[in-house]
Amino acid sequence: AQKITQTQPGMFVQEKEAVTLDCTYDTSDPSYGLFWYKQPSSGEMIFLIYQGSYDQQNATEGRYSLNFQKARKSANLVISASQLGDSAMYFCAMREGPEGSYIPTFGRGTSLIVHP
Amino acid sequence: DSGVTQTPKHLITATGQRVTLRCSPRSGDLSVYWYQQSLDQGLQFLIQYYNGEERAKGNILERFSAQQFPDLHSELNLSSLELGDSALYFCASSVDRSGGDHGYTFGSGTRLTVV
Repeated sequence: AQKITQTQPGMFVQEKEAVTLDCTYDTSDPSYGLFWYKQPSSGEMIFLIYQGSYDQQNATEGRYSLNFQKARKSANLVISASQLGDSAMYFCAMREGPEGSYIPTFGRGTSLIVHP
Repeated sequence: DSGVTQTPKHLITATGQRVTLRCSPRSGDLSVYWYQQSLDQGLQFLIQYYNGEERAKGNILERFSAQQFPDLHSELNLSSLELGDSALYFCASSVDRSGGDHGYTFGSGTRLTVV
């Protein structure tokens, strides 16, 4: 079974609008971490935001926020006030605790295109 | 600049050949991870080293091997190359074995093309 599922291969958003990128995960480990990375066309992987499984509040980093719904095993990325430079691939990843050896597993990604 | 240095950035080689990809982790990071990114397989974890020792193994082929040296830089060796090995190879580093809550810092990758 897929540990990380990103169901949206591609998303389009108007500049200055908000957009939500979906991510669901599957784990039985009580201790895990969730990450979002951005990969622009230049290829590098850029860390955006982290949410720990025991964190009570949703993580936020500037225009990025993570909508963490633990019971639904959902960790959606919300980008507010989209900018043209946000056009990129976005990857959700999960790191599981000791049994998962702390190795992050990545989803297949969502391509985001921001229109002017 | 993420602080993780990967060389070379691009590599074109023929089938059957052997290549070495190099990674210098961010200063202070002890753990190095290698990933392969291809269109059909996505980002696949290959292998992790922590402070010179192999820590975890993923979907790494027997034709591939890696090591981490005392100065903490790592090399990924790919031998008997096949067309299907063409991919973007990433190195990432973290300060410890678990990555903490600051994520894993990725290098800019080595794009390998096997012809």
